[in-house]
Amino acid sequence: EVQLVESGGGLVQPGGSLRLSCAASGFTFSSYWMSWVRQAPGKGLEWVANIKQDGSEKYYVDSVKGRFTISRDNAKNSLYLQMNSLRAEDTAVYYCARYDILTGMGYWGQGTLVTVSS
Amino acid sequence: DIQMTQSPSTLSASVGDRVTITCRASQSISSWLAWYQQKPGKAPKLLIYKASSLESGVPSRFSGSGSGTEFTLTISSLQPDDFATYYCQQYNSYWDSFGQGTKLEIK
Repeated sequence: EVQLVESGGGLVQPGGSLRLSCAASGFTFSSYWMSWVRQAPGKGLEWVANIKQDGSEKYYVDSVKGRFTISRDNAKNSLYLQMNSLRAEDTAVYYCARYDILTGMGYWGQGTLVTVSS
Repeated sequence: DIQMTQSPSTLSASVGDRVTITCRASQSISSWLAWYQQKPGKAPKLLIYKASSLESGVPSRFSGSGSGTEFTLTISSLQPDDFATYYCQQYNSYWDSFGQGTKLEIK
């Protein structure tokens, strides 16, 4: 059974940093692109970043470019999102998802809440 | 960037109704479009990929169509479990984007 479990969310002050993790199991992690998607309270889904199987290609939504970094450790079956210079508008539930370039995001974690507030 | 626009934003319908949600892309995305269902407090669930392919385990009352810039999600006969928010997503390039969502409410 495919499982994605996010962790690392919490309350952080504006300008601060946070690192999210996503532990994957039930599939060959190194064979799939992975994604981060976020959802601000009461709002819609926003794609944040994609990373290729070997980490050689990374893509970001404009609003996080230069502040967020997506990475992965295939030996640990883990996906990460390093978030720096956090702003109030980054407050959201952050989901990791398994990304298939042919079929979209077929598996999602339960999400982890990031709150940016003083 | 490719912008995705869904309509309507809210849809009121009754059990047994046939409903259609539309998604328009700001430029051609071929058939690289997915539809997701999301219920409050839950992660999204993939329903349709490549515009018209039904994800395994999804009831056949869900169907998708379209290509290029205009797409539709149709639910042929609404069931109580279908009242949720629906999102389209383009994955034509590696810079994905979602529509703003359509909330399907009970009339």
